[in-house]
Amino acid sequence: QQPVQSPQAVILREGEDAVINCSSSKALYSVHWYRQKHGEAPVFLMILLKGGEQKGHDKISASFNEKKQQSSLYLTASQLSYSGTYFCGTEIYSGGSNYKLTFGKGTLLTVNP
Amino acid sequence: DAGVIQSPRHEVTEMGQEVTLRCKLISGHNSLFWYRQTMMRGLELLIYFNNNVPIDDSGMPEDRFSAKMPNASFSTLKIQPSEPRDSAVYFCASSLSYDTIYFGEGSWLTVV
Repeated sequence: QQPVQSPQAVILREGEDAVINCSSSKALYSVHWYRQKHGEAPVFLMILLKGGEQKGHDKISASFNEKKQQSSLYLTASQLSYSGTYFCGTEIYSGGSNYKLTFGKGTLLTVNP
Repeated sequence: DAGVIQSPRHEVTEMGQEVTLRCKLISGHNSLFWYRQTMMRGLELLIYFNNNVPIDDSGMPEDRFSAKMPNASFSTLKIQPSEPRDSAVYFCASSLSYDTIYFGEGSWLTVV
């Protein structure tokens, strides 16, 4: 049930763009994106609900294709502060009124000067 | 506002000892999650509660692991007996009805 993320790692120069993909074999209720700095807790970036919406703030945005059960995170004009491990979390229905959020293994993003 | 509070932050223990990790939810949140993070397996969901009720514990590795939520704001994760392969960072997280999940700072467990 764990979503699959790609790529596993990416190295950028400051100002370059990156795309991180997340796919699931299960029908999704929502997709969550988090970023984790080394030695710290994951920090929420955004949630996308089913309906194929796209969200964004600052230069980080994401899309959710419900039919394909995929989501992509777009980082444009990357900054040094974007470095970290990005996790997608996929929320699937688990019975009754409950949903289960599981995370992929993460994508390590390194932004160099 | 206080975030999710976990204790201890770091623990080193010997194989066979009992380990208890503690978590205080954000006030008003009603969902509680325990995750384990390792390099090999990433962030694994161990168990989650909704309104104090365990909903899904399929991620709990084996009977050595148990989790409780004695009240609406507090949870424990117990490992008895502990083994070296249990070494990991254990995160507790809370949310309000499956909305944004807020993580605690984690409990770094080393079993030697």
